[in-house]
Amino acid sequence: AQKITQTQPGMFVQEKEAVTLDCTYDTSDQSYGLFWYKQPSSGEMIFLIYQGSYDEQNATEGRYSLNFQKARKSANLVISASQLGDSAMYFCAMREVGTSYGKLTFGQGTILTVHP
Amino acid sequence: EAGVVQSPRYKIIEKKQPVAFWCNPISGHNTLYWYLQNLGQGPELLIRYENEEAVDDSQLPKDRFSAERLKGVDSTLKIQPAELGDSAVYLCASSLGLAGEQFFGPGTRLTVL
Repeated sequence: AQKITQTQPGMFVQEKEAVTLDCTYDTSDQSYGLFWYKQPSSGEMIFLIYQGSYDEQNATEGRYSLNFQKARKSANLVISASQLGDSAMYFCAMREVGTSYGKLTFGQGTILTVHP
Repeated sequence: EAGVVQSPRYKIIEKKQPVAFWCNPISGHNTLYWYLQNLGQGPELLIRYENEEAVDDSQLPKDRFSAERLKGVDSTLKIQPAELGDSAVYLCASSLGLAGEQFFGPGTRLTVL
């Protein structure tokens, strides 16, 4: 079974600073996808960034980058130049393959608080 | 382009009552997902549809939960009867195929008293 672990229940960062949110995963599959979602207090899940297991380059989307270390099975999210609006819950997720292809398995989440 | 629409946004019921949630996916998205999110946890898949066919419902508690997507567009998730432990947020998502990015709706927050 696939598993996602986010070990940081909460993180604090000063506005305009960078922050790294940790995510490790466990899978025996060779092909998989890793995602990060943001969930503000309003409740909707907002897609941030995607990394495929065969992608050689780390994914980047604006201020978001994914530090993908395949051998360590980690997929940390880096947010540069934090903004007050970045305060939210962040989830790491893995897309399964095989008969459950398409299903996302989520971690427990990390609450990020950005201080002015 | 309209996103995934869910209704109601909030629902409060007493235990043993039935409840239903509705989801309208993004136009053209053939894959639809229902997730359950308990407080402080990540979402967990309940059921996945490919068009009108439920292709993964292994996590759906079939004794009290049911779902349908009759015309392959909008979907309804029902609980009958509801229990206290069903209090959670029910999220609907849709994608263009299995490999497509999943877009989530705002969710329905259910409180069972």
